[in-house]
Amino acid sequence: DTEVTQTPKHLVMGMTNKKSLKCEQHMGHRAMYWYKQKAKKPPELMFVYSYEKLSINESVPSRFSPECPNSSLLNLHLHALQPEDSALYLCASSQVSGYGDEQYFGPGTRLTVT
Amino acid sequence: RKEVEQDPGPFNVPEGATVAFNCTYSNSASQSFFWYRQDCRKEPKLLMSVYSSGNEDGRFTAQLNRASQYISLLIRDSKLSDSATYLCVVNDNNYGQNFVFGPGTRLSVLP
Repeated sequence: DTEVTQTPKHLVMGMTNKKSLKCEQHMGHRAMYWYKQKAKKPPELMFVYSYEKLSINESVPSRFSPECPNSSLLNLHLHALQPEDSALYLCASSQVSGYGDEQYFGPGTRLTVT
Repeated sequence: RKEVEQDPGPFNVPEGATVAFNCTYSNSASQSFFWYRQDCRKEPKLLMSVYSSGNEDGRFTAQLNRASQYISLLIRDSKLSDSATYLCVVNDNNYGQNFVFGPGTRLSVLP
């Protein structure tokens, strides 16, 4: 089973709202990732958690706040977003074995900020 | 200089054609290499990992040239369903954390 699930599939939020994106995997992977993808561009890394600890933060604005409650779950808390934050938000997971670890993506949450 | 480079295309080929994509990477210490395909408005899906000795999966063949720092993907007997964006991905970190994506190459297979 190489499934990563994400909820919700679609989200529309105003600039003053607070919302959360959720991601779950049951593959026993110990690294989980958040990516942002704009149309016709590749995924852009935001955060990496390894063994439930934040290991990479790609200078993401503080209006995005990640959380990894346990090894299977990853959340992205959103607050005071801007219209330019509208994008597809992808979660992914991988093993952390040292070589050849393959990354598996969830279907994404399509976010629109109004 | 971008870390991972690909020709963005689009590559428009007839059904049954053979098409090849190349990808170059700048970090000579990169450890792992992958091809993903992404359909419009969908998530990237792993197509294949790329091994040093080269590897084949049906109509798809991947090659790695560490000396020249490039990776290739060959698709034989193209199908309409192969139309997608192909993303070259390089893992710069031994412990699986830094996956660097190329910009993608768009393929359209025409009837």
